[in-house]
Amino acid sequence: NAGVMQNPRHLVRRRGQEARLRCSPMKGHSHVYWYRQLPEEGLKFMVYLQKENIIDESGMPKERFSAEFPKEGPSILRIQQVVRGDSAAYFCASSPLQGPQETQYFGPGTRLLVL
Amino acid sequence: AQSVTQLGSHVSVSEGALVLLRCNYSSSVPPYLFWYVQYPNQGLQLLLKYTTGATLVKGINGFEAEFKKSETSFHLTKPSAHMSDAAEYFCAVSGADYKLSFGAGTTVTVRA
Repeated sequence: NAGVMQNPRHLVRRRGQEARLRCSPMKGHSHVYWYRQLPEEGLKFMVYLQKENIIDESGMPKERFSAEFPKEGPSILRIQQVVRGDSAAYFCASSPLQGPQETQYFGPGTRLLVL
Repeated sequence: AQSVTQLGSHVSVSEGALVLLRCNYSSSVPPYLFWYVQYPNQGLQLLLKYTTGATLVKGINGFEAEFKKSETSFHLTKPSAHMSDAAEYFCAVSGADYKLSFGAGTTVTVRA
């Protein structure tokens, strides 16, 4: 069973460009979470999605950031008009069920560098 | 709300020595506690988790952790360090929902 897949693994963008990060959950997992890891910090929750629904986006910046998890295909985290402060590692996780005790399985992350 | 404090951002141990990584949590509800390991340029891998029941939890690669409610702690130990244990370790807590709150991480280096 393949793990959580993320691509690209590394992404370089200039200020003002758009970044698209993709996440394919583990087979059979319908719950997807995105976290951001800033340098020297732990991961911070951004958004939780199920197929075609955003359940909780309380950790997402209000502007420029959006996420989706369509019926077909991977989950996408989109950052418009990137700024240097967006440079970070973005991790996707998935779980088969939802709940505080459920294990979230993490992908390898996308490391975004904004020049 | 939940939060985690990991004491010590870097720990250096000799091969064969005890590994002890400290984690203290704050939670307004009974916590669920997790330890993850991250190898360079890889994702986070679950080492072990505490949900309910036995407070001493055994995980993969010889690691274990003990939930101590009175001390609000969930320290991670391994009796004998191996070179392959060099990595970054994260403690995390969840409470009433699915959001994991992570500590800042502890980087472990193992000296030959």
